[in-house]
Amino acid sequence: QQQVKQSPQSLIVQKGGIPIINCAYENTAFDYFPWYQQFPGKGPALLIAIRPDVSEKKEGRFTISFNKSAKQFSLHIMDSQPGDSATYFCAASAGGGADGLTFGKGTHLIIQP
Amino acid sequence: EPEVTQTPSHQVTQMGQEVILRCVPISNHLYFYWYRQILGQKVEFLVSFYNNEISEKSEIFDDQFSVERPDGSNFTLKIRSTKLEDSAMYFCASGSGQPQHFGDGTRLSIL
Repeated sequence: QQQVKQSPQSLIVQKGGIPIINCAYENTAFDYFPWYQQFPGKGPALLIAIRPDVSEKKEGRFTISFNKSAKQFSLHIMDSQPGDSATYFCAASAGGGADGLTFGKGTHLIIQP
Repeated sequence: EPEVTQTPSHQVTQMGQEVILRCVPISNHLYFYWYRQILGQKVEFLVSFYNNEISEKSEIFDDQFSVERPDGSNFTLKIRSTKLEDSAMYFCASGSGQPQHFGDGTRLSIL
């Protein structure tokens, strides 16, 4: 019940395309859903996050769509660039500061020039 | 921009030895965390720490692990008697509630 399932495992998109990464969760106590970007040799860096009181959030070229009834959320990257090539992790938490994040398994994204 | 710093970047230790991983969280944050990432796998939560005590811990965080905030700036993770399966990247994170900000990790290699 604690799992966050992420797909696809890997994704190749042409520059300018819109990669979409999907996550699903079971634990209805989760109420905070961040996306992290990780480059090789670096720690996860927060990209964007959403709480379930909204269905969509945009920050720059990154958009989270959230479907509370389906317990699913997704990341869309608009006008993707080769510099966006990285591993992307979705995560979820019950939201309190003490609660650890439960991460998905990650999506290795390659944006081809 | 303030960041979480971790030392060392790479630690090589013999199996059975004790190891201490060090972190300097962002200065005004209240919550501190340790995570690990086994090569090619997902990031896994180990423990959270608030007000000088453990707040939450996962099943991974057994008696071989301990955490400490020995002074006003450092946050450490100790593994008492390392095993081969402890080889992983260990990430420290800090925050004041959400979001959590991660350091670049310590790669722990157990021989």
